[in-house]
Amino acid sequence: GAVVSQHPSRVICKSGTSVKIECRSLDFQATTMFWYRQFPKQSLMLMATSNEGSKATYEQGVEKDKFLINHASLTLSTLTVTSAHPEDSSFYICSARQTTAVFEAFFGQGTRLTVV
Amino acid sequence: AQTVTQSQPEMSVQEAETVTLSCTYDTSENNYYLFWYKQPPSRQMILVIRQEAYKQQNATENRFSVNFQKAAKSFSLKISDSQLGDTAMYFCAFMRYSGGGADGLTFGKGTHLIIQP
Repeated sequence: GAVVSQHPSRVICKSGTSVKIECRSLDFQATTMFWYRQFPKQSLMLMATSNEGSKATYEQGVEKDKFLINHASLTLSTLTVTSAHPEDSSFYICSARQTTAVFEAFFGQGTRLTVV
Repeated sequence: AQTVTQSQPEMSVQEAETVTLSCTYDTSENNYYLFWYKQPPSRQMILVIRQEAYKQQNATENRFSVNFQKAAKSFSLKISDSQLGDTAMYFCAFMRYSGGGADGLTFGKGTHLIIQP
Protein backbone atom coordinates (compact mmCIF):
# COMPACT_ATOMS: atom_id res chain seq x y z
CA GLY A 1 0.00 0.00 0.00
CA ALA A 2 0.92 3.64 -0.32
CA VAL A 3 3.12 5.15 2.35
CA VAL A 4 2.62 8.43 4.17
CA SER A 5 5.50 9.62 6.31
CA GLN A 6 4.93 12.11 9.09
CA HIS A 7 7.76 13.88 10.86
CA PRO A 8 8.61 14.36 13.66
CA SER A 9 6.97 11.55 15.60
CA ARG A 10 7.45 13.41 18.86
CA VAL A 11 8.22 17.03 19.63
CA ILE A 12 8.45 19.05 22.80
CA CYS A 13 8.39 22.81 22.51
CA LYS A 14 8.22 25.75 24.84
CA SER A 15 5.08 27.76 25.25
CA GLY A 16 5.00 30.66 22.80
CA THR A 17 7.14 29.03 20.14
CA SER A 18 6.05 27.55 16.83
CA VAL A 19 6.46 23.99 15.62
CA LYS A 20 6.16 22.53 12.14
CA ILE A 21 4.92 19.03 11.33
CA GLU A 22 5.52 17.52 7.91
CA CYS A 23 3.40 15.01 6.05
CA ARG A 24 4.83 13.38 2.93
CA SER A 25 3.35 10.91 0.50
CA LEU A 26 6.34 8.78 -0.45
CA ASP A 27 5.19 6.84 -3.46
CA PHE A 28 2.14 8.61 -4.81
CA GLN A 29 0.85 12.07 -5.57
CA ALA A 30 -1.62 13.39 -3.04
CA THR A 31 -3.76 16.22 -4.29
CA THR A 32 -5.63 16.24 -1.00
CA MET A 33 -4.28 15.85 2.51
CA PHE A 34 -6.15 15.98 5.78
CA TRP A 35 -5.04 16.93 9.26
CA TYR A 36 -6.62 15.39 12.35
CA ARG A 37 -6.18 15.95 16.05
CA GLN A 38 -6.60 13.25 18.65
CA PHE A 39 -6.80 13.93 22.37
CA PRO A 40 -5.83 11.14 24.79
CA LYS A 41 -8.29 8.27 24.70
CA GLN A 42 -10.53 10.14 22.30
CA SER A 43 -11.41 10.02 18.66
CA LEU A 44 -9.83 11.76 15.69
CA MET A 45 -11.25 15.15 14.84
CA LEU A 46 -10.79 16.60 11.37
CA MET A 47 -9.03 19.95 11.59
CA ALA A 48 -8.57 20.92 7.97
CA THR A 49 -8.46 19.78 4.38
CA SER A 50 -5.45 20.73 2.34
CA ASN A 51 -5.45 20.83 -1.45
CA GLU A 52 -2.25 21.26 -3.39
CA GLY A 53 -1.75 24.80 -4.56
CA SER A 54 -4.72 26.30 -2.76
CA LYS A 55 -5.67 27.49 0.68
CA ALA A 56 -6.66 24.95 3.26
CA THR A 57 -10.27 24.58 4.36
CA TYR A 58 -10.62 24.58 8.12
CA GLU A 59 -13.34 22.90 10.14
CA GLN A 60 -15.55 25.00 12.34
CA GLY A 61 -13.84 25.96 15.57
CA VAL A 62 -10.29 25.47 14.28
CA GLU A 63 -8.22 28.65 14.37
CA LYS A 64 -6.63 29.09 10.98
CA ASP A 65 -4.10 31.60 12.33
CA LYS A 66 -2.93 29.17 14.97
CA PHE A 67 -2.78 26.09 12.76
CA LEU A 68 -1.14 27.13 9.50
CA ILE A 69 -1.35 24.58 6.73
CA ASN A 70 0.69 24.64 3.56
CA HIS A 71 0.38 22.16 0.70
CA ALA A 72 2.99 23.43 -1.69
CA SER A 73 3.58 20.24 -3.64
CA LEU A 74 1.80 17.03 -4.52
CA THR A 75 3.80 15.12 -1.96
CA LEU A 76 4.15 17.48 1.00
CA SER A 77 1.80 19.22 3.38
CA THR A 78 2.91 20.99 6.55
CA LEU A 79 1.06 21.96 9.70
CA THR A 80 2.59 24.75 11.76
CA VAL A 81 1.30 25.29 15.27
CA THR A 82 2.04 28.94 15.98
CA SER A 83 2.54 30.46 19.42
CA ALA A 84 1.93 27.08 20.97
CA HIS A 85 0.31 26.76 24.38
CA PRO A 86 -0.03 23.76 26.67
CA GLU A 87 -3.63 23.24 25.51
CA ASP A 88 -2.28 22.62 22.00
CA SER A 89 -0.58 19.48 23.30
CA SER A 90 -2.12 16.60 21.42
CA PHE A 91 -1.56 13.87 18.86
CA TYR A 92 -1.72 15.18 15.30
CA ILE A 93 -2.26 12.80 12.38
CA CYS A 94 -2.22 13.48 8.67
CA SER A 95 -3.73 11.44 5.88
CA ALA A 96 -3.40 11.64 2.13
CA ARG A 97 -5.51 10.58 -0.81
CA GLN A 98 -4.58 9.70 -4.34
CA THR A 99 -6.52 11.44 -7.06
CA THR A 100 -7.48 8.12 -8.58
CA ALA A 101 -8.75 6.52 -5.38
CA VAL A 102 -10.70 9.03 -3.32
CA PHE A 103 -12.11 6.30 -1.11
CA GLU A 104 -8.72 5.29 0.21
CA ALA A 105 -6.97 7.38 2.85
CA PHE A 106 -3.40 6.60 3.90
CA PHE A 107 -2.37 7.77 7.34
CA GLY A 108 0.92 9.02 8.67
CA GLN A 109 2.32 7.69 11.92
CA GLY A 110 1.22 10.75 13.85
CA THR A 111 3.05 13.40 15.86
CA ARG A 112 2.90 13.70 19.61
CA LEU A 113 3.18 17.40 20.46
CA THR A 114 3.89 18.44 24.02
CA VAL A 115 3.99 22.13 24.87
CA VAL A 116 5.71 22.95 28.16
CA ALA B 1 -23.51 17.26 8.99
CA GLN B 2 -23.08 13.62 9.74
CA THR B 3 -22.53 11.87 13.03
CA VAL B 4 -21.08 8.49 13.88
CA THR B 5 -21.96 6.74 17.13
CA GLN B 6 -20.16 3.85 18.74
CA SER B 7 -21.99 2.86 21.89
CA GLN B 8 -19.47 0.37 23.28
CA PRO B 9 -16.49 2.13 24.88
CA GLU B 10 -14.81 -1.15 25.69
CA MET B 11 -15.26 -4.83 24.95
CA SER B 12 -13.36 -7.88 26.11
CA VAL B 13 -13.52 -11.40 24.67
CA GLN B 14 -11.50 -14.57 24.83
CA GLU B 15 -9.11 -15.50 22.09
CA ALA B 16 -10.77 -17.44 19.22
CA GLU B 17 -14.21 -16.06 20.04
CA THR B 18 -16.30 -13.96 17.72
CA VAL B 19 -17.03 -10.36 18.61
CA THR B 20 -19.26 -7.72 17.06
CA LEU B 21 -18.64 -4.01 17.37
CA SER B 22 -21.58 -1.73 16.74
CA CYS B 23 -21.75 1.55 14.85
CA THR B 24 -24.63 3.74 13.80
CA TYR B 25 -24.49 6.88 11.74
CA ASP B 26 -26.73 9.69 10.72
CA THR B 27 -26.59 11.40 7.34
CA SER B 28 -28.80 12.81 4.64
CA GLU B 29 -26.21 12.05 1.98
CA ASN B 30 -26.66 9.40 -0.69
CA ASN B 31 -23.05 8.98 -1.76
CA TYR B 32 -20.75 7.84 0.99
CA TYR B 33 -18.37 5.22 2.25
CA LEU B 34 -18.15 3.63 5.66
CA PHE B 35 -14.97 2.33 7.20
CA TRP B 36 -13.62 0.50 10.19
CA TYR B 37 -10.13 1.48 11.28
CA LYS B 38 -7.93 -0.18 13.85
CA GLN B 39 -5.56 1.85 16.02
CA PRO B 40 -3.11 -0.30 17.99
CA PRO B 41 -0.93 1.12 20.78
CA SER B 42 1.50 2.41 18.12
CA ARG B 43 -1.37 4.74 17.12
CA GLN B 44 -0.91 4.02 13.42
CA MET B 45 -4.32 4.00 11.76
CA ILE B 46 -4.92 0.76 9.89
CA LEU B 47 -7.83 0.24 7.52
CA VAL B 48 -9.76 -2.90 8.45
CA ILE B 49 -12.63 -2.83 5.99
CA ARG B 50 -14.52 -0.49 3.70
CA GLN B 51 -18.13 -0.46 2.49
CA GLU B 52 -19.60 1.59 -0.34
CA ALA B 53 -23.09 2.74 0.53
CA TYR B 54 -24.58 1.88 -2.83
CA LYS B 55 -23.44 -1.74 -2.58
CA GLN B 56 -25.92 -4.00 -0.86
CA GLN B 57 -23.47 -6.84 -0.39
CA ASN B 58 -21.66 -6.75 2.91
CA ALA B 59 -17.90 -6.32 2.68
CA THR B 60 -15.63 -9.12 3.93
CA GLU B 61 -11.90 -9.21 4.52
CA ASN B 62 -10.69 -12.56 5.85
CA ARG B 63 -11.82 -12.74 9.50
CA PHE B 64 -13.50 -9.33 9.34
CA SER B 65 -16.96 -8.73 7.97
CA VAL B 66 -19.59 -6.05 8.27
CA ASN B 67 -23.33 -6.03 8.61
CA PHE B 68 -24.41 -2.97 6.68
CA GLN B 69 -28.05 -2.01 7.18
CA LYS B 70 -28.50 1.12 5.12
CA ALA B 71 -32.09 1.87 6.06
CA ALA B 72 -31.29 1.52 9.74
CA LYS B 73 -27.99 3.42 9.25
CA SER B 74 -26.13 0.66 11.01
CA PHE B 75 -22.65 -0.63 10.22
CA SER B 76 -21.37 -3.28 12.62
CA LEU B 77 -18.04 -5.09 12.44
CA LYS B 78 -17.73 -8.80 13.16
CA ILE B 79 -14.35 -10.27 13.99
CA SER B 80 -14.23 -14.04 13.80
CA ASP B 81 -11.63 -16.26 15.47
CA SER B 82 -10.29 -13.27 17.38
CA GLN B 83 -6.55 -13.11 17.93
CA LEU B 84 -4.39 -11.38 20.52
CA GLY B 85 -3.16 -9.03 17.81
CA ASP B 86 -6.69 -7.76 17.33
CA THR B 87 -6.42 -5.90 20.63
CA ALA B 88 -6.72 -2.22 19.69
CA MET B 89 -9.03 0.75 19.44
CA TYR B 90 -11.52 0.37 16.62
CA PHE B 91 -13.04 3.40 14.98
CA CYS B 92 -16.04 3.51 12.70
CA ALA B 93 -15.80 6.31 10.13
CA PHE B 94 -17.96 8.01 7.51
CA MET B 95 -16.88 9.71 4.30
CA ARG B 96 -19.05 11.68 1.94
CA TYR B 97 -18.06 11.94 -1.69
CA SER B 98 -19.23 13.68 -4.83
CA GLY B 99 -18.00 14.38 -8.34
CA GLY B 100 -15.73 17.02 -6.90
CA GLY B 101 -13.92 14.69 -4.59
CA ALA B 102 -14.30 13.36 -1.10
CA ASP B 103 -14.47 14.90 2.35
CA GLY B 104 -12.35 14.04 5.32
CA LEU B 105 -13.45 11.27 7.63
CA THR B 106 -15.92 11.64 10.47
CA PHE B 107 -15.00 9.20 13.22
CA GLY B 108 -16.96 7.63 16.03
CA LYS B 109 -15.57 7.74 19.56
CA GLY B 110 -14.09 4.30 19.25
CA THR B 111 -14.34 0.93 20.95
CA HIS B 112 -11.41 -0.45 22.90
CA LEU B 113 -11.32 -4.15 22.09
CA ILE B 114 -9.33 -6.42 24.37
CA ILE B 115 -8.64 -10.01 23.38
CA GLN B 116 -7.88 -12.14 26.43
CA PRO B 117 -5.58 -15.16 26.13
